[in-house]
Formats: sequence, C-alpha cells, structure tokens
Amino acid sequence: KAGVTQTPRYLIKTRGQQVTLSCSPISGHRSVSWYQQTPGQGLQFLFEYFSETQRNKGNFPGRFSGRQFSNSRSEMNVSTLELGDSALYLCASSSTLGGYGYTFGSGTRLTVV
Amino acid sequence: DQQVKQNSPSLSVQEGRISILNCDYTNSMFDYFLWYKKYPAEGPTFLISISSIKDKNEDGRFTVFLNKSAKHLSLHIVPSQPGDSAVYFCAAHAGGSQGNLIFGKGTKLSVKP
Repeated sequence: KAGVTQTPRYLIKTRGQQVTLSCSPISGHRSVSWYQQTPGQGLQFLFEYFSETQRNKGNFPGRFSGRQFSNSRSEMNVSTLELGDSALYLCASSSTLGGYGYTFGSGTRLTVV
Repeated sequence: DQQVKQNSPSLSVQEGRISILNCDYTNSMFDYFLWYKKYPAEGPTFLISISSIKDKNEDGRFTVFLNKSAKHLSLHIVPSQPGDSAVYFCAAHAGGSQGNLIFGKGTKLSVKP
C-alpha cells in the first residue's frame, strides 16, 4: 500500500510569509501527527489530528496550526515565518490515536531566508 | 526539560562488532518505548519497541533492553553492518490515547567496513 505522502519535499520562503504543508496518510489511517525536526532539538511534537479534530497539541506558538479533512489528509500552516522555523517537518499517520504505530512520511524541508 | 535523552550524538563501530545505543528517560509514566532509524532525506522508520512490562525484546540482529529502575534503555545491534549507518531515535509514550511520542535528539551511528 502507498506510504505517507508529504508535499512539497522542499520549500524556500521569506521571513514574514506564510506556508502550507500537506500530508496524505496511509489509506485507512485516521490519525495524522506532525513533528518538527531541527539539528539541535530532535523531533518535537506539533499536533495530532484524528477524525478531523485536533486531539493533542505540543508546545508551539499559535503561528503553527493545522487541520484535517474528511479524507484524513492533513495540512499544516505556519504564519509569519521566522528564520528559526527552518526545519524538516514530518508527518506520521496511524490507525489509532495517541502515537502508536506511526508511519512517517519523508518530510518537507522548509528553509526560511 | 528533556524527558528522553540520548547523550551520545554519534557512535562509530567496526563492521561485525556490536553497536550499543543508549537512551535515558525521566518520566516514570512512560510505558512504551520505541526505536526509529532515519536515513538522510527520508522519514524515520520503526525498528523495534518494548513495553514497560518487559525487560528485553529481540528482533533479528536488534535487541532492546529496558531497565525501569534506572530509567534506561539500550539498543544492541549485532553484528553491525554498514547499512546500519543512520541516525537512531529513541522515543517514549506515556500511554493512553491522549499521549504522543516523545523523541530523543538522536544518535548518529557510523558502521565502518
């Protein structure tokens, strides 16, 4: 079966702009979680969506938001980009809520200049 | 405050020898632990897991040991192969549907031929 698909793979944005990243989970998976990976901090949890509802949220500012559609696809939005938002953004899908059985996508590499 | 710590950023091992990757945690509520492997430009892939009711889990060349009293787990790879060269992340889960995976910062393993 197809894996978790994240688009785009690479993105360059300017400070102050906003960006939307997309994640298509494995067919049948209803949970989608987002993580930020930076060299100094490892993987940090952003939020989890299940059945179109945000179920869990990490410790990130309100500039980071997300949503999930009825087909379980999810988008993550970052507004007013800062240089420190440059990172690899990873999406993981699961058939259950709460972080079990994650399958990760290859990520979107965001560079803010 | 980091709840999952991987204190060695890197490890270099000769092919055929044992690789031991270590992970410490602080939260006694964690009841499920996982190891992920990550190659550059790819998302993390699940390697092996262990429940807190066990002290050892084995899968082929990979064994995870859990010492609950010391809040420590380790991943043993025997024998190590050049294809094992990757970044290894330790992750922990506090259980239930409201939790999420908390990752360490990773250890980069290099296996030299």
